[in-house]
Amino acid sequence: KQEVTQIPAALSVPEGENLVLNCSFTDSAIYNLQWFRQDPGKGLTSLLLIQSSQREQTSGRLNASLDKSSGRSTLYIAASQPGDSATYLCAVNTGGFKTIFGAGTRLFVKA
Amino acid sequence: EAGVTQFPSHSVIEKGQTVTLRCDPISGHDNLYWYRRVMGKEIKFLLHFVKESKQDESGMPNNRFLAERTGGTYSTLKVQPAELEDSGVYFCASSPLLGFTNTIYFGEGSWLTVV
Repeated sequence: KQEVTQIPAALSVPEGENLVLNCSFTDSAIYNLQWFRQDPGKGLTSLLLIQSSQREQTSGRLNASLDKSSGRSTLYIAASQPGDSATYLCAVNTGGFKTIFGAGTRLFVKA
Repeated sequence: EAGVTQFPSHSVIEKGQTVTLRCDPISGHDNLYWYRRVMGKEIKFLLHFVKESKQDESGMPNNRFLAERTGGTYSTLKVQPAELEDSGVYFCASSPLLGFTNTIYFGEGSWLTVV
């Protein structure tokens, strides 16, 4: 059974700091991994999608890496801003259109 | 292009009542999913439609939950009768039909409170 774990559960950093969010999954047989952002009271916004054959994806200040063999992914946020404050969710697709989510990391960036 | 839209955004009902949540997927997306997040838990898969057909409903918690997608367009999720533990946020998502390597687009959720 696939399980997704995110560490840390919460993180508070000063503005401008570079940070890394971690995601681990127990079954390496995944089709893709997706990072989402959720703002309070809002839905999920897809940030990056990494296919199983890829090692990383980049979008602006965000970079996500994937190491299938070790069951790990990281989301790197460069030069953090207060607007980055949100919950970040990692989700894996193991086929069959079912996506398994982690519990998320709550990020707070202080101005 | 309109995203995934859900209605109502918030609902407060009494235990034993019925609530129907509606989801309109992105136009042209044949895959439609329902997920939910109850207090303190991860987001969990409920079910998956391809057009009007249920492909996987393994996540539906019990027979108080009924999902439909008549005509393969919008979908409804009915909870009858609602129980306290049904409180949470219900997300709808959609994706194009071609394979499961596509980005899944989520709506803003329907926040349900059962009192």
